[in-house]
Amino acid sequence: EDQVTQSPEALRLQEGESSSLNCSYTVSGLRGLFWYRQDPGKGPEFLFTLYSAGEEKEKERLKATLTKKESFLHITAPKPEDSATYLCAVQTIHSGGYQKVTFGTGTKLQVIP
Amino acid sequence: NAGVMQNPRHLVRRRGQEARLRCSPMKGHSHVYWYRQLPEEGLKFMVYLQKENIIDESGMPKERFSAEFPKEGPSILRIQQVVRGDSAAYFCASTTTPLAKNIQYFGAGTRLSVL
Repeated sequence: EDQVTQSPEALRLQEGESSSLNCSYTVSGLRGLFWYRQDPGKGPEFLFTLYSAGEEKEKERLKATLTKKESFLHITAPKPEDSATYLCAVQTIHSGGYQKVTFGTGTKLQVIP
Repeated sequence: NAGVMQNPRHLVRRRGQEARLRCSPMKGHSHVYWYRQLPEEGLKFMVYLQKENIIDESGMPKERFSAEFPKEGPSILRIQQVVRGDSAAYFCASTTTPLAKNIQYFGAGTRLSVL
């Protein structure tokens, strides 16, 4: 069974204090790793997809990296508007030929001014 | 260029009533996935549908839950005889194809409260 573990569960940062969120996974045949952002009362918003170890993607203050066993979401000089829950998800292919996506429980980030 | 639309956003039902949740995928998307999210838990897969076909319902409880995606109109997740444990946020996501590397885009969700 595919498993995704995110840590820490919650993270509180001062504005400008850089840090990293971790997503470790155990899957058979990873096809892609996704990062989403979820604000309270809203649906997950797509951020990044990573497909192979060594790949990196950047968007504003966020940078996602991927190894064979984990992914990191690095947040550089965060601002209060970066406060949200960040979800990690792994994509595999079901025996029926279609994608299956398994989500972690998320890291709730709070950035204090 | 509308995204995934879900309605209602909030739904209150009494125990024993029926709940109907609707999801219209993004334009050009014909594959829909439903997920349930309980407080402090991750998104849990329920069912995957294509137009007029249920492809994978392995995550959906066998009793009281059903889903459909007709040729015309939105996908419907139906919960009969709701119980308090059904209270959760229900999200749908859509893709262009179900193949690898295609991104699932999510709606804003329906928050179901069972009194």
